[in-house]
Amino acid sequence: SQKIEQNSEALNIQEGKTATLTCNYTNYSPAYLQWYRQDPGRGPVFLLLIRENEKEKRKERLKVTFDTTLKQSLFHITASQPADSATYLCAPDMGRRALTFGSGTRLQVQP
Amino acid sequence: DTGVSQDPRHKITKRGQNVTFRCDPISEHNRLYWYRQTLGQGPEFLTYFQNEAQLEKSRLLSDRFSAERPKGSFSTLEIQRTEQGDSAMYLCASSPVRVPNTGELFFGEGSRLTVL
Repeated sequence: SQKIEQNSEALNIQEGKTATLTCNYTNYSPAYLQWYRQDPGRGPVFLLLIRENEKEKRKERLKVTFDTTLKQSLFHITASQPADSATYLCAPDMGRRALTFGSGTRLQVQP
Repeated sequence: DTGVSQDPRHKITKRGQNVTFRCDPISEHNRLYWYRQTLGQGPEFLTYFQNEAQLEKSRLLSDRFSAERPKGSFSTLEIQRTEQGDSAMYLCASSPVRVPNTGELFFGEGSRLTVL
């Protein structure tokens, strides 16, 4: 069966460091993968989309990579700030009409 | 505000009661989705509309759940005979039709349901 795996343990880092979050998926080859940010009690907010033919995508301090051989996407936040603290969800295209989300990784940036 | 709007934001009900949630998507978006999210989990897909047609329903959507989008604009999600296991955040999202379909989802703030 298709699975999406994100580290369920919270990631704690110091302000100014680079945060790296991992998304692994199995039994499918997504045409694209999306990343969302979700703050407590709020709906998810779209951040970035990367397609299968793109190795890397950047947006300001965010960088996403997509390794279709490893079936993995990495999400990086450089020069992290306490305001970056949130849960980050990955959503690879699993060939369905609706997006399927991972369980998310909570990031805590300490000042 | 032209984002996705959900109402009510919070609902507390007793087991066995019926509840209804409303979602107003972004006006030019043809696609509307309902998701359910419990603590520590990602959003789980419930159902999908393109315009007024309900094109897909998850097996999570038991016969106590019904969703409508009568005029292809707003949508309602009704849960009948609520159970404690229905306690969750119910999220609505919309997206425009794009080819290819890689459009991001625009989520509302959710309707949090607590069943006592």
